[in-house]
Amino acid sequence: TQLLEQSPQFLSIQEGENLTVYCNSSSVFSSLQWYRQEPGEGPVLLVTVVTGGEVKKLKRLTFQFGDARKDSSLHITAAQPGDTGLYLCAGNQFYFGTGTSLTVIP
Amino acid sequence: GAGVSQSPSNKVTEKGKDVELRCDPISGHTALYWYRQSLGQGLEFLIYFQGNSAPDKSGLPSDRFSAERTGGSVSTLTIQRTQQEDSAVYLCASSLVAKREAEQYFGPGTRLTVT
Repeated sequence: TQLLEQSPQFLSIQEGENLTVYCNSSSVFSSLQWYRQEPGEGPVLLVTVVTGGEVKKLKRLTFQFGDARKDSSLHITAAQPGDTGLYLCAGNQFYFGTGTSLTVIP
Repeated sequence: GAGVSQSPSNKVTEKGKDVELRCDPISGHTALYWYRQSLGQGLEFLIYFQGNSAPDKSGLPSDRFSAERTGGSVSTLTIQRTQQEDSAVYLCASSLVAKREAEQYFGPGTRLTVT
């Protein structure tokens, strides 16, 4: 089993603050994806990274894949209430992390 | 176009009963996936299909769980002799192809409660 640990598990911040969520494993992945899930819905894909060291930006979200392809981070700049949700990383498509529940307070 | 649909949306059953959960993938998607999610937690992979075949059944928790897919479309996940620990949200997803970087499109899930 390829385990992905996410930290922090819970995060509550004020609107406008910056934050970083981490996804770590002892296993190497050929691809890593980040999803966001809102209550009562299925996860929605945000980004896929496949190259070690790769950085992708999606508006205020910045995703980085570690050089060794064992870890990843998601950085959100100037968080907004619409960013509230459960953030999940997934390695090699099937192996999902433990999740980070983000609440952005207006 | 239509997304992934799942039925029922909620299911309450008594311990020991069998349940069937249904997934209708996006038309044309060859790969279909089943996951289980406990409240506020990550997803636990159960099984995936490429066409009607299931190359990887390693995630099924026990022999009480089975799944099939017919006509390269609809899939059914069956849980026999349900136990309280089976209570969770069961999510289905589909993707155009079964590649590691492929985007999965998820349904809204079936919330199963075993009393």
